[in-house]
This record gives sequence, structure tokens and C-alpha cells, in this order.
Amino acid sequence: DQQVKQNSPSLSVQEGRISILNCDYTNSMFDYFLWYKKYPAEGPTFLISISSIKDKNEDGRFTVFLNKSAKHLSLHIVPSQPGDSAVYFCAASVAQGGSEKLVFGKGTKLTVNP
Amino acid sequence: DTGVSQDPRHKITKRGQNVTFRCDPISEHNRLYWYRQTLGQGPEFLTYFQNEAQLEKSRLLSDRFSAERPKGSFSTLEIQRTEQGDSAMYLCASSLGVTAAVSYNEQFFGPGTRLTVL
Repeated sequence: DQQVKQNSPSLSVQEGRISILNCDYTNSMFDYFLWYKKYPAEGPTFLISISSIKDKNEDGRFTVFLNKSAKHLSLHIVPSQPGDSAVYFCAASVAQGGSEKLVFGKGTKLTVNP
Repeated sequence: DTGVSQDPRHKITKRGQNVTFRCDPISEHNRLYWYRQTLGQGPEFLTYFQNEAQLEKSRLLSDRFSAERPKGSFSTLEIQRTEQGDSAMYLCASSLGVTAAVSYNEQFFGPGTRLTVL
């Protein structure tokens, strides 16, 4: 049973436009959510995170939105750049009193076209 | 470079052989994690250490797998009697873990070890 789902395997956008990557989760115990970016033959790189007590976190061109009632989060990249082309993984964790192990989605491959 | 390092980056072995991977975490990080990633999937949790203590193991970690973190610094992951199904990217990550001041510390990943079992 997949607890973190990324239903879009791929997304293609034009340079300068907004990229929106979506993620759904099923486990109500998750209290911390993260986005990682991965290039081929490299490990995942931490991008941005959000605690379950917040509904928005922004860092430069990257914003993560969390809708707890819908168990849904999204990553917005504005403006998108060709260097953003990578696989993006949504991950969730139980931060309090546990291992903080990450549960990942399957990833969304983002292609930003010049 | 003060990031997480893993060695080797690539390993090709024959079925039935034993292999060992090494991970060196960021020096001040007390938590160390191992994940496995197969094609088309996200990373899956295998095990984690708080300092030298191995505190949780996934059911994915069969008895052919063993991990250690002596002295709470680097860690090794050994796979005995490798099978073709063990072919994957093995990722190591480290973090500071929960502290009194910070409720969550992000995990930082190494470049991974790609294992191919022939």
C-alpha cells in the first residue's frame, strides 16, 4: 500500500512558466513533508520542506503548499528554468518520537523546455 | 567536501557473491539511514542508526543483509549471497535528528552505490 503517491510520472513546461508538482498521502500520522530533486546517477538533493502545522513554505522560486484536510501537497516552481529539469520526489515522515524515516512517492520527471 | 560520501559508486558482482558498501555521513550528524531505490520507484527505507545503535529495520532487510555503524561514524551495508533482485541503487543519508531546538532536521543523501548482480 503506497502511503505517498505522485500520480503524474512526467510533466513538461516552458521556460519562465510555472511548474506545479502534486503529491497525495494517506497516513494521517505524517507530520513533516519534503521535496527532493534528483538528477541521473546522483543521490536526491533536499529542496524544501513543510511542517504539518503550516500550510505554506516559500524559498526563492520554490513554494510548497499543504492541504491537510485533503492530504495533498504541491510544489510550485516559478519561474521554471531548464536547470530545474530533474525527477522530483515527494517524501513524508513522522517527526515526533520515531525514526524520521522518509516514505517517498515514485517521483515526477519534470522537463523545462527552453 | 563535507557532504555524505559512499563507496564504491558502482559494483558489479555475480549471483551468490557477498558485497559490502560504505557510507561516510556528514561529521556532526548522529543519524544515518540506508535506503534502496529500484527503477521507476522512489527510495525505500531499509534501516537507521542513532549513533552506533541500529534502532529500526525494514522488513525489506532480509537476513542476507546486515548493517553496522561502529563508533557511530561511518556505516557499512553487507549483502550476503547476492541475488539478481538485489540489483538497485543503495542510498545513504544522514541527519542531526530531532533536537531540543529543532523539531526536524532534513536528511542529506550521498550519491549512492549502484549494484548490478549478474
